[in-house]
Amino acid sequence: QVQLVQSGTEVRKPGASVKVSCKASGYTFASYALHWVRQAPGQRLEWMGWINAGNDDAHYSQKFQGRISITKDTSASTAYMELRSLRSEDTAVYYCATAYRLLLDYWGQGTLVTVSS
Amino acid sequence: DIVMTQSPLSLPVTPGEPASISCRSSHSLLRSDGHNYLTWYLQRPGQSPQLLIYLGSNRASGVPDRFSGGGSGTDFTLTITRVEAEDVGVYHCMQGLQTPYTFGQGTKLQIK
Repeated sequence: QVQLVQSGTEVRKPGASVKVSCKASGYTFASYALHWVRQAPGQRLEWMGWINAGNDDAHYSQKFQGRISITKDTSASTAYMELRSLRSEDTAVYYCATAYRLLLDYWGQGTLVTVSS
Repeated sequence: DIVMTQSPLSLPVTPGEPASISCRSSHSLLRSDGHNYLTWYLQRPGQSPQLLIYLGSNRASGVPDRFSGGGSGTDFTLTITRVEAEDVGVYHCMQGLQTPYTFGQGTKLQIK
């Protein structure tokens, strides 16, 4: 069965960077896109970007352009989301989600990133 | 960006009673292929969102038939015919027509 397992909780200071991983299993990793979505406390879900797991083609929401990088390691069936120049407003739970058969059909368990001085 | 607006934001329901959630988009989600690119998710407490309805009205695998999605264009509705205790959580609508994909504010369903 399709499963996405994310890395654990992170705490960072303002201005730092964070890199969250998402390990996929149960399907051919390189055949399907992988998206990142975040949910800040009390806020709606927010789509951040996606990567074509078959190549290195990544696309980002304009809101995060210049601060985000989504990459992958196909041999490890793992995608990564790096967010730089963190500020307190980036405190959120970050999710990866596949587009396996449908857009955003399977989700990881989420990774809490706290940005605090 | 397409703005998604849900109502109500809080929905107390007695078990066995029906429930309905509205989702409106600032732009038509009906594409030329005839599909409405509107998805519904349920996020149970402490869990990740799970897919309920895709393309406006199609139930995802394993979703009970008491859940149904309807609407077209800019107005959509998620209906639960008879609410059960396990339906508690936050319901999100999402437009998948164009990036950035955008979500509604979420509707919190609680049992009375």
